[in-house]
Amino acid sequence: GNSVTQMEGPVTLSEEAFLTINCTYTATGYPSLFWYVQYPGEGLQLLLKATKADDKGSNKGFEATYRKETTSFHLEKGSVQVSDSAVYFCALPNFGNEKLTFGTGTRLTIIP
Amino acid sequence: AAGVIQSPRHLIKEKRETATLKCYPIPRHDTVYWYQQGPGQDPQFLISFYEKMQSDKGSIPDRFSAQQFSDYHSELNMSSLELGDSALYFCASSLSRTGGNTIYFGEGSWLTVV
Repeated sequence: GNSVTQMEGPVTLSEEAFLTINCTYTATGYPSLFWYVQYPGEGLQLLLKATKADDKGSNKGFEATYRKETTSFHLEKGSVQVSDSAVYFCALPNFGNEKLTFGTGTRLTIIP
Repeated sequence: AAGVIQSPRHLIKEKRETATLKCYPIPRHDTVYWYQQGPGQDPQFLISFYEKMQSDKGSIPDRFSAQQFSDYHSELNMSSLELGDSALYFCASSLSRTGGNTIYFGEGSWLTVV
């Protein structure tokens, strides 16, 4: 089945630093790709998505581009804030249905 | 906009007891999913329903069962609870089974088994 490999954490950055969280995938066909975020003590929230190759998803200053050539969907943000501290999950649906497979999650901590 | 509603938000049960979690999907969404997230783990798919019929099954223990009702709400029943069942249980919903539609998650139900 489809799978994702996500950059392991934890990641600690200073405020205003540049962020990259790597995600690569293995998939049948070209599924949509997602980044979900889980803030401390909260549920999963959709951060952004891309539905086809070369699409760029963006939200709250975060971006990720669906790269078919490198089978990647890396998450980036130019200047992180303390409020970005959370766990970030890369995810994609299984072929033929919408059941999501998640990466292992990357815990991000931003220090002032 | 309406989101996925889960209840209860927190639940404490003793070993061998039974727990029931409820989920109300986003209106007009036809697919409901249940996921289990253990401490420090990524969410693991348990089971899904499409138009009130079970559509897929993941790593759901035999002690667990779920169903979707005529009003599309879903319930996850967990019996003979074990300490290892302590986790955050997410319900999610989407509009269709195919086509890359986004899955929206509820805030989760925290189950603690003591």
